[in-house]
Amino acid sequence: EVQLLESGGGLVQPGGSLRLSCAASGFTFSSYAMSWVRQAPGKGLEWVSGISGSGDRTYYADSVKGRVTISRDNSKNTLYLQMSSLRAEDTAVYYCAKLTGPFYNYYMDVWGKGTTVTVSS
Amino acid sequence: DIQMTQSPSSLSASIGDRVTITCRASQGISNSLAWYQQKPGKAPNLLLFAASRLESGVPSRFSGHGYGTDYTLTISSLQPEDFATYYCQQYYSSPQTFGQGTKVEIK
Repeated sequence: EVQLLESGGGLVQPGGSLRLSCAASGFTFSSYAMSWVRQAPGKGLEWVSGISGSGDRTYYADSVKGRVTISRDNSKNTLYLQMSSLRAEDTAVYYCAKLTGPFYNYYMDVWGKGTTVTVSS
Repeated sequence: DIQMTQSPSSLSASIGDRVTITCRASQGISNSLAWYQQKPGKAPNLLLFAASRLESGVPSRFSGHGYGTDYTLTISSLQPEDFATYYCQQYYSSPQTFGQGTKVEIK
C-alpha cells in the first residue's frame, strides 16, 4: 500500500525555522516527483513546492521562494521541506503528495494526512 | 501563473440531484486538469485526471469534461458521502495551481 507520513510540524515563533519530513512507502520513491501543498485554516489548497524524482529539479511558489527549500533523500524514501523566516501567513496544514510521474507536469494521486505548522508568538 | 477560477464557490443540493461544478483556466491547459474531493479534517482525494479520466475506485457517478480553458465536474446523482469541498487543479505548467474550491452542502 502506498503511504505518505508527514512529521515535523509544530508551533514556531515568527522568523523561526522548521523542517518538515515525509516518509514514503509502498512505491519506488525515486521514480516519482513529489510536492508539498498547504492549507491555511478555513482556506483552500495552495501548492508550495515540487521536486523531480531524481531531485535535480525543484520548483517553488512565489509566496515561499527564498524562504523554503525542498529536498529528498531517495536512499531513505523521505521528502523534506526546510522552512525559514516563517510568517503568520505560513500557518497551515502541510501535505506531501506523490505525483504520477518523474517530472513536474503530472498530477498528484496520493496524499499524506498532513502536519500542522503554527507560526505565532 | 495560470489562474484557475471555480464556480460556484458553494452550492446546496439534495440527495439524488445532478450537480455541476465549473473550472476555468486563464489560458489553455491541454486537459491537464485534476479534480479532488476533500472532507473536513481530511487530505484531498483524487477523483479525476486528464480532465475526464476516472481514478480507480471512484464511483462512476463522477464525470469530467472540458477542453482548452473550460472544464466541468458533474455528479450525476448526489449521494450522502458526496457532501464535501471540490477542487480543480492544473498540472500543465509550474506553478501548479488550484481553484478556490466549491463546497457542496445539503439542502
